[in-house]
Amino acid sequence: KAGVTQTPRYLIKTRGQQVTLSCSPISGHRSVSWYQQTPGQGLQFLFEYFSETQRNKGNFPGRFSGRQFSNSRSEMNVSTLELGDSALYLCASSLASSGSRELFFGEGSRLTVL
Amino acid sequence: GEDVEQSLFLSVREGDSSVINCTYTDSSSTYLYWYKQEPGAGLQLLTYIFSNMDMKQDQRLTVLLNKKDKHLSLRIADTQTGDSAIYFCAETINDYKLSFGAGTTVTVRA
Repeated sequence: KAGVTQTPRYLIKTRGQQVTLSCSPISGHRSVSWYQQTPGQGLQFLFEYFSETQRNKGNFPGRFSGRQFSNSRSEMNVSTLELGDSALYLCASSLASSGSRELFFGEGSRLTVL
Repeated sequence: GEDVEQSLFLSVREGDSSVINCTYTDSSSTYLYWYKQEPGAGLQLLTYIFSNMDMKQDQRLTVLLNKKDKHLSLRIADTQTGDSAIYFCAETINDYKLSFGAGTTVTVRA
């Protein structure tokens, strides 16, 4: 079956703009998590959605938001982009919303902010 | 605190075994994971181990868990050039998120 699909794969924005990234989880998976990967901070948890509800949130400013649709697809939005938001944004899906579980990652969306 | 530690680099000869070590922090972590990341790609789940296990073997991969020392290792037998990548150790925090190490870059030389 198809894996986790993220779009777009690459994008370039300028400071102050906003961006929306999309994630389609593995069919049947209801939990979607987002992570930010940068050379300096490594992999950092952004938030998790399950059944259209944000269940958990990481330590990121309010400019970072997300949502999940009834088909489990998820989007994340970053407003008022800053240079430091340049990163690889990874989406992961799993069957369960909590507890130990297999987390499958997409290829990521690489955002460059100029 | 959340601070998974890994050595940053490992160089290994093709055909030898690779051992990547990791120290995690949360004694209540229920699962511990190993992910692989190749250049320009996302994270590939290699294997994971439940915290009540000491060892898990999956083909060329062997995971050892020392819960007392909070030490996790990944052994790759018969390392191949395709094993060159960054390997991340991760622990579950509060049952909903993964805390990752900085990653170990494994270079396989002929």
